[in-house]
Amino acid sequence: DGGITQSPKYLFRKEGQNVTLSCEQNLNHDAMYWYRQDPGQGLRLIYYSQIVNDFQKGDIAEGYSVSREKKESFPLTVTSAQKNPTAFYLCATRQGGSTNEKLFFGSGTQLSVL
Amino acid sequence: DAKTTQPNSMESNEEEPVHLPCNHSTISGTDYIHWYRQLPSQGPEYVIHGLTSNVNNRMASLAIAEDRKSSTLILHRATLRDAAVYYCILRDYSQGGKLIFGQGTELSVKP
Repeated sequence: DGGITQSPKYLFRKEGQNVTLSCEQNLNHDAMYWYRQDPGQGLRLIYYSQIVNDFQKGDIAEGYSVSREKKESFPLTVTSAQKNPTAFYLCATRQGGSTNEKLFFGSGTQLSVL
Repeated sequence: DAKTTQPNSMESNEEEPVHLPCNHSTISGTDYIHWYRQLPSQGPEYVIHGLTSNVNNRMASLAIAEDRKSSTLILHRATLRDAAVYYCILRDYSQGGKLIFGQGTELSVKP
C-alpha cells in the first residue's frame, strides 16, 4: 500500500523535552515537507527537503530540526526551544515538476504539551 | 506574493452543486492554480489543478476565468463526505516557489 506514514498519531511532550515525529514514504518522491497547523488555521511550512542529505528552513523553523539521511524518511524533532509546540503536524511529499506538482500528505501527528 | 482570497465558509445542501470561488489577481502567466481539501483530522488531499482552460476529473471541475484572476471549484453533486476545508493555492516565488496554504473555505453540507 503506497503512501506516507506518520507516527505516532498522538504525542505528548513534557517541559524541556525533545520529541521526534516520524515520516516515512514509499512513493519514491524526492521532495518532502513538514507543515504545522494550528486550530482553524492554514498550514505553515517548517522545513523542506528537495533531495537526500539536503534540507531548507521554511517559514517557522525556529525550535525545530530535521534530517534527511534516506529518501524514504524525513523525521522532525521538536526541541525544547519551541515554546508553543501544541499543533497538528503534517508531512508531505511532492510528485511532479515545479509547475505541475501534486502534494501527498500523511494523516498527521497531534502534539500536545503536558 | 502569490495570494489567494477565499470565503471563510460556505454551506450547501446534499445532492446540489457547489461553486467554491477563489480570487488570485496577482497570478503570473505560468502559475498553476491548485485545489486541495482537508477532511477533519486528516491531511489535505489533492483535488484538481489547472493553468488556463477548464479542467475536469472524477472529484471536481475547475473553471478558470479568461483573465486567470479568479477560478471556481465545482462539486457537481455535494455529498456529506465532501464537508471539508477547501484550499485554493498558488506557488509563491517570494518563498522559493513553494505552495502556500491559506485558511481556505470551510464547506458544510446539509442533508
